Amino acid sequence: DQQVKQNSPSLSVQEGRISILNCDYTNSMFDYFLWYKKYPAEGPTFLISISSIKDKNEDGRFTVFLNKSAKHLSLHIVPSQPGDSAVYFCAAKESDMRFGAGTRLTVKP
Amino acid sequence: NAGVMQNPRHLVRRRGQEARLRCSPMKGHSHVYWYRQLPEEGLKFMVYLQKENIIDESGMPKERFSAEFPKEGPSILRIQQVVRGDSAAYFCASSWGRVNNEQFFGPGTRLTVL
Repeated sequence: DQQVKQNSPSLSVQEGRISILNCDYTNSMFDYFLWYKKYPAEGPTFLISISSIKDKNEDGRFTVFLNKSAKHLSLHIVPSQPGDSAVYFCAAKESDMRFGAGTRLTVKP
Repeated sequence: NAGVMQNPRHLVRRRGQEARLRCSPMKGHSHVYWYRQLPEEGLKFMVYLQKENIIDESGMPKERFSAEFPKEGPSILRIQQVVRGDSAAYFCASSWGRVNNEQFFGPGTRLTVL
């Protein structure tokens, strides 16, 4: 049962442009959403989060948008940098955390 | 302040052997979570433990898998009689509390079953 879906397995963006990673969920009881970033051979690291009572949270180059009616959230990275190249996991939390399958972002110099 | 530590980083087992994966949470964290990542898939929740207690094992296969988090020492994920389908990366995460939403992940153990 895939409650959190990331439908794009990969995304390629030019350095300096905006990266938009998308995530959809099915469980309306999720009350907290997180994005994790993962480099090869490392564990995921927390990037940014948003509570269900908000629709936007910004931290430097990273902004997460939440559209509860559409059960959709997105992560915007602007401007994108080559060091942002990684796999990004969307996660949603009710009692336990549920992760999407990840999107591999490649930022080309 | 060391982060979440997992060992071994790589583990190779033959079918039928046992695999033991260890996780030491961050200092001050008493909540541990185990996740499995199969190739080309996301992280799948397996089990959530507090010291000496299993709180939620809804994601754990009913057979061959067990987990513990003793009063002293690391959390252990144990897989008995491993099969090829157990080959995956196993990640441990810890948090200060369950209400606290951020989980800190270890580097993972990559299990390969020959």
